[in-house]
Amino acid sequence: GAGVSQSPRYKVAKRGQDVALRCDPISGHVSLFWYQQALGQGPEFLTYFQNEAQLDKSGLPSDRFFAERPEGSVSTLKIQRTQQEDSAVYLCASSLAGTGAPLVDTFGSGTRLTVV
Amino acid sequence: AQSVTQPDIHITVSEGASLELRCNYSYGATPYLFWYVQSPGQGLQLLLKYFSGDTLVQGIKGFEAEFKRSQSSFNLRKPSVHWSDAAEYFCAVGGRTDSWGKFQFGAGTQVVVTP
Repeated sequence: GAGVSQSPRYKVAKRGQDVALRCDPISGHVSLFWYQQALGQGPEFLTYFQNEAQLDKSGLPSDRFFAERPEGSVSTLKIQRTQQEDSAVYLCASSLAGTGAPLVDTFGSGTRLTVV
Repeated sequence: AQSVTQPDIHITVSEGASLELRCNYSYGATPYLFWYVQSPGQGLQLLLKYFSGDTLVQGIKGFEAEFKRSQSSFNLRKPSVHWSDAAEYFCAVGGRTDSWGKFQFGAGTQVVVTP
């Protein structure tokens, strides 16, 4: 596709439920990022992949959060036992580059997760 | 630790007037600097970036930003705003020793454009 595609656009989960959020980056993009954006805040870094390798997961809030990109293209962010504080928009971004000056240039529209 | 401050939460500007959005950062060395725009329900769009060299950078949609090392600032400007510029604007910092793509974003400035 022309851009970064995320699905679903909206997700309502009951507290304690597991959820999986999908990101389809632009074809050929080496780098993939997940950011979390709480209401009224700027995005917060969660994790970063270069191809299939997860190079940085320092932003994941707890061990309930897990991300993967097994074939170096599509990525899934999984949240286990969701809690109300997990409610946010989850943004995925990808970049053709992976070295040199960093560039996060193409974001998806996000998945809005509401935990009730 | 690096941080980004956008002092103005909300700015209202008349269509055709000039716009300046402030961004201050705290970082031990010269960081990579970015401005993004986010329209409702949309992802972030990169407006411009500063890596090195000329401290005045031009971006898309008629925006420019100036890096001032002495003031630790990277303010965004547009000479004449259009109604379509109404959106939320985020300044972001990438560290030269941090992992690639790990950006610190400011809290954002909401821009409202009046007729």
